[in-house]
Amino acid sequence: GAVVSQHPSRVICKSGTSVKIECRSLDFQATTMFWYRQFPKQSLMLMATSNEGSKATYEQGVEKDKFLINHASLTLSTLTVTSAHPEDSSFYICSARARSGGPSGAQYFGPGTRLTVL
Amino acid sequence: QQQVKQSPQSLIVQKGGISIINCAYENTAFDYFPWYQQFPGKGPALLIAIRPDVSEKKEGRFTISFNKSAKQFSLHIMDSQPGDSATYFCAASGQAGTALIFGKGTTLSVSS
Repeated sequence: GAVVSQHPSRVICKSGTSVKIECRSLDFQATTMFWYRQFPKQSLMLMATSNEGSKATYEQGVEKDKFLINHASLTLSTLTVTSAHPEDSSFYICSARARSGGPSGAQYFGPGTRLTVL
Repeated sequence: QQQVKQSPQSLIVQKGGISIINCAYENTAFDYFPWYQQFPGKGPALLIAIRPDVSEKKEGRFTISFNKSAKQFSLHIMDSQPGDSATYFCAASGQAGTALIFGKGTTLSVSS
């Protein structure tokens, strides 16, 4: 149980285009989903927290107009990188916290999406 | 106060040995302390987690030791195997649905 999927796993795009990444909790309902970015050999940096049906909360320094997050249902959140540039190239990982997990319940991570912007 | 400090940055252990990774935190509001294992190109996988009301939790070869007064917790991997070679992250979160705060990670290499 507690499986989180991400699609696509890998994407290469041209500078200036937009890319959408999907995050799904497959066997549980997630009231909260988180989006992280990870550069090579570094730790995970939280980008935003997304609660179902409400606007995402972005971390300081993360542009909300560039990284659009939608959490339309209890099993799906999407991250859209708008007008992507090479510096946006990174490993994007989502995580989901189960509805029944309590306020500090376990978070389960997706397999990540490798974004390369040319 | 939001930081989680993890050490060492890298660790080399012989097969069959014990791997020990340490983490320290400052925020006393943290009440959930998980460890994640990450292989290259993959997302982190939850390994084991502990809450402050217990001092130790064991699952198979993995043990978390928790010292509330010192605000420290550690991961012990017994009988380390080459397949354990990965990056390990400690993390912490508080109440009311706050996000995990991650340590910088430890790259473990188990030599055969």
